[in-house]
Amino acid sequence: DAGITQSPRYKITETGRQVTLMCHQTWSHSYMFWYRQDLGHGLRLIYYSAAADITDKGEVPDGYVVSRSKTENFPLTLESATRSQTSVYFCASSEWQGQETQYFGPGTRLLVL
Amino acid sequence: EDQVTQSPEALRLQEGESSSLNCSYTVSGLRGLFWYRQDPGKGPEFLFTLYSAGEEKEKERLKATLTKKESFLHITAPKPEDSATYLCAVHYYSGGYQKVTFGIGTKLQVIP
Repeated sequence: DAGITQSPRYKITETGRQVTLMCHQTWSHSYMFWYRQDLGHGLRLIYYSAAADITDKGEVPDGYVVSRSKTENFPLTLESATRSQTSVYFCASSEWQGQETQYFGPGTRLLVL
Repeated sequence: EDQVTQSPEALRLQEGESSSLNCSYTVSGLRGLFWYRQDPGKGPEFLFTLYSAGEEKEKERLKATLTKKESFLHITAPKPEDSATYLCAVHYYSGGYQKVTFGIGTKLQVIP
């Protein structure tokens, strides 16, 4: 099916472990985004990518790494997970940054113990 | 400081009781304002984009309007299936960069 998918949907890990969240979109959208959503905060941008091999920091990038070797994939890696990174992570894509609608994936719920 | 504020934080309506949700913003260089609906455990789902003051868009029981400082999402004769969290987001220029800032959302509950 066309759309944007995320995996895993749920993840429990321990402090200090490396975790990678996957995001895949089938629209060939140029832009992809990673957000985190926490109680009391709006969606906060972690990283975004304008195209393959082009990435840039968002509002809260510390502790995260991204890559985009292919247009359709945009993985997010927590290099050494911390409890403060417990959150719901959403991936989104759009044809043009902000000028068009952002389409969101279903989210990944991450718990860091 | 660039801010996006949504009010109320939560709203409980009887089925058929119309109301409005507010999204106020203090950004300059507005490029667009977006409304999304988010159901529990799911990602935000796009509803509307508004680009300039005076613009209005409608979809079923929802109508979004935009002024220079705020946007309203009007819900006419809501049904229980309209229960969700409604998010607004503002796309703007700041310091030479494009930014998108989301509000915290308004949680709407429509009671049969």
